[in-house]
Amino acid sequence: KNQVEQSPQSLIILEGKNCTLQCNYTVSPFSNLRWYKQDTGRGPVSLTIMTFSENTKSNGRYTATLDADTKQSSLHITASQLSDSASYICVVINNAGNMLTFGGGTRLMVKP
Amino acid sequence: ETGVTQSPTHLIKTRGQQVTLRCSSQSGHNTVSWYQQALGQGPQFIFQYYREEENGRGNFPPRFSGLQFPNYSSELNVNALELDDSALYLCASSQGQQHGYTFGSGTRLTVV
Repeated sequence: KNQVEQSPQSLIILEGKNCTLQCNYTVSPFSNLRWYKQDTGRGPVSLTIMTFSENTKSNGRYTATLDADTKQSSLHITASQLSDSASYICVVINNAGNMLTFGGGTRLMVKP
Repeated sequence: ETGVTQSPTHLIKTRGQQVTLRCSSQSGHNTVSWYQQALGQGPQFIFQYYREEENGRGNFPPRFSGLQFPNYSSELNVNALELDDSALYLCASSQGQQHGYTFGSGTRLTVV
């Protein structure tokens, strides 16, 4: 069964600190893995898209890593800001591109 | 360039009724997909349409059905509504599997 597991479920950090969110998946074969940021009551917004051949990709203060052998990905946020408070969702898309499997998300709260 | 727009933003229905949710794709996008997101959980993939044909489906019963129109806009229809159908319904459009998905802000459906 295709699954995407994220950890931790929730996280509280102080403004300016770094954090790393984890994503483990069993989807195989897969086309690409994506990280999204979702503010409460809003649709998800794309942060990174990584194919199986990519190991790392950055988007400003966000850096995603991918290990296709261990089927693990991480999202590292540096110098957190209050506006980073949101849910971060890992999504894996199958090889045919017609099935998206979402993780349950990590709810991040950045406190002043 | 317009993004993905969904209507209505909020809706209250009675158990057993039928509902139609609408989604306008981002300009130039030929693929649209629908998701159900229960409160505090990650989205669950319902189905995907590519050029008016369903080309992928998640684990949802047949009372969840959809349409994609020649202009690539889409509808999600749910028959015989149940209380557990209460959720945020998200629509996303894309140019294809290697491209990003742009999400709408969703329709909040409450079944009473």
